[in-house]
Amino acid sequence: GAGVSQSPSNKVTEKGKDVELRCDPISGHTALYWYRQSLGQGLEFLIYFQGNSAPDKSGLPSDRFSAERTGGSVSTLTIQRTQQEDSAVYLCASSFPGQNSPLHFGNGTRLTVT
Amino acid sequence: KNQVEQSPQSLIILEGKNCTLQCNYTVSPFSNLRWYKQDTGRGPVSLTIMTFSENTKSNGRYTATLDADTKQSSLHITASQLSDSASYICVVRENNAGNMLTFGGGTRLMVKP
Repeated sequence: GAGVSQSPSNKVTEKGKDVELRCDPISGHTALYWYRQSLGQGLEFLIYFQGNSAPDKSGLPSDRFSAERTGGSVSTLTIQRTQQEDSAVYLCASSFPGQNSPLHFGNGTRLTVT
Repeated sequence: KNQVEQSPQSLIILEGKNCTLQCNYTVSPFSNLRWYKQDTGRGPVSLTIMTFSENTKSNGRYTATLDADTKQSSLHITASQLSDSASYICVVRENNAGNMLTFGGGTRLMVKP
């Protein structure tokens, strides 16, 4: 079946513009995660959705970042008034519930802020 | 603070050789430890997941070990292939109701012909 799909795969935007990144998780996966990966760095947690529970937003770096998950499926990560330091690869992952369920990652959106 | 430290940061080996990657963690309480492979420009892919009671788990030429007492794990790659060139990421999950996954910085492996 299809894996986690992210779009766009690449996005170049000017400083100060808003961007929206999309994630289509694997069907049936109730858990959805957003991570950020800067060049040569480890993954930085941003936000976590689990079913109908309130999302864990503890990793969002500033109030310019927000995310939604509509109908328990597709998620959108929005970055307002982008800054150059926002340039990174944004990875989405989904999984079944349960601590031992592996995360399935998309291939990410590479965001470049000029 | 929960931490996951991986070593070495990078490694170059010749095709056909074996190698071992290390992961030390301080995450507590411990739930499970995962190894992921991340090819350049792609998302990480799960290789193994080990719980507290598991000492070793294999996935083809990849064998992961876990010593929960010393909080150490290793990933052994046998008979390396060029396609093994990637970053290998160790991830440890806390035993709680949330989503606490702590990621290591990864080991970048390059396999040369």
